[in-house]
Amino acid sequence: DSGVTQTPKHLITATGQRVTLRCSPRSGDLSVYWYQQSLDQGLQFLIQYYNGEERAKGNILERFSAQQFPDLHSELNLSSLELGDSALYFCASSETGEKGYEQYFGPGTRLTVT
Amino acid sequence: LAKTTQPISMDSYEGQEVNITCSHNNIATNDYITWYQQFPSQGPRFIIQGYKTKVTNEVASLFIPADRKSSTLSLPRVSLSDTAVYYCLVASNTGRRALTFGSGTRLQVQP
Repeated sequence: DSGVTQTPKHLITATGQRVTLRCSPRSGDLSVYWYQQSLDQGLQFLIQYYNGEERAKGNILERFSAQQFPDLHSELNLSSLELGDSALYFCASSETGEKGYEQYFGPGTRLTVT
Repeated sequence: LAKTTQPISMDSYEGQEVNITCSHNNIATNDYITWYQQFPSQGPRFIIQGYKTKVTNEVASLFIPADRKSSTLSLPRVSLSDTAVYYCLVASNTGRRALTFGSGTRLQVQP
């Protein structure tokens, strides 16, 4: 158990819909990262937040947005969903994100868009 | 962004040493190299991290040559439970703080 929690574990929704994925980082960690992993694909970095502010941005679509709240939990919002958005979405956290990147990953949310 | 390249797959037998190399030709001065292990449908797990030369912990060693354009993860005496996908990550500590995972190497350990 990494100490990072993600909800829900599974999500099934239809095209065009909007969903919110939630992540709670390890106690004391200030950085949160979001990744997308499609079937049998590698990890695609989406976005990083550090202490409530956006720190780095990767291949995140304009239909996706994220935020980190004062209690440090984070939410990833996916809108106008398409079939190709079906994937595992991982959240990770790290202590600072400033030096090195030892990240602790959550169990993931499996999103299925039908 | 530092692009990384890894072999797609590797096969080994129990008890052997496995070396997985990651190429990162345009690594920047402030980049760190980190390796993760991932089992199916689970989140990746941190293995080891380094900046230069050699780093060793209880599960692996990481070798980084002087030019830092590649790195090699060494797993001593693998077991069946080491069957997994291994990713290298080059992480920038400056600028956009980009994070680039390699495509991953699928290691299959046979009895």
